[in-house]
Amino acid sequence: DAGITQSPRHKVTETGTPVTLRCHQTENHRYMYWYRQDPGHGLRLIHYSYGVKDTDKGEVSDGYSVSRSKTEDFLLTLESATSSQTSVYFCAISGTNGSGANVLTFGAGSRLTVL
Amino acid sequence: DAKTTQPTSMDCAEGRAANLPCNHSTISGNEYVYWYRQIHSQGPQYIIHGLKNNETNEMASLIITEDRKSSTLILPHATLRDTAVYYCIVRVAGTASKLTFGTGTRLQVTL
Repeated sequence: DAGITQSPRHKVTETGTPVTLRCHQTENHRYMYWYRQDPGHGLRLIHYSYGVKDTDKGEVSDGYSVSRSKTEDFLLTLESATSSQTSVYFCAISGTNGSGANVLTFGAGSRLTVL
Repeated sequence: DAKTTQPTSMDCAEGRAANLPCNHSTISGNEYVYWYRQIHSQGPQYIIHGLKNNETNEMASLIITEDRKSSTLILPHATLRDTAVYYCIVRVAGTASKLTFGTGTRLQVTL
């Protein structure tokens, strides 16, 4: 999506290794979110940020940490990846669109496989 | 943010109107109703939102009941490209909060 990019888009790693997913925005929006999506569970919030160095936990934050050292980047880290963290991860930013509506804009997703 | 309840799945014939319901009985006075959809494995896409008045844009219409405890998203002339998972969420606009999406409604548009 325009203004928000996720990297890497695909990653395969082994259990116990650290993994960092990056979300980069060019919209200068204040709020950023990390979600995971698994079959049968819909989108579940992991962590979100309401400003530089300001973050809070979502409903499935165990095993994940985040950092936001500058407005444009929101990093999601799995300190020691487990197979249960195999998922598709979506980043989202919240701001005003061209019609003046305050909406979430999602990235294209990062597919992580932990073997 | 208030929780929402949606049917798991719905079918609709191409060219007909698709009416997707959402219950949000615990909605607060300052919470908006937002609708998003997710096509295949893409990131969810914003459709429409409203506070208490009915809204219409180029994609859809949103009907909110007078007590605001439920709403309906209407796709007036569904096409095969509207096949997607539709999410209804409620949130206070302009704030960060623990936004939850639930599992949404899987709409299948058929010929």
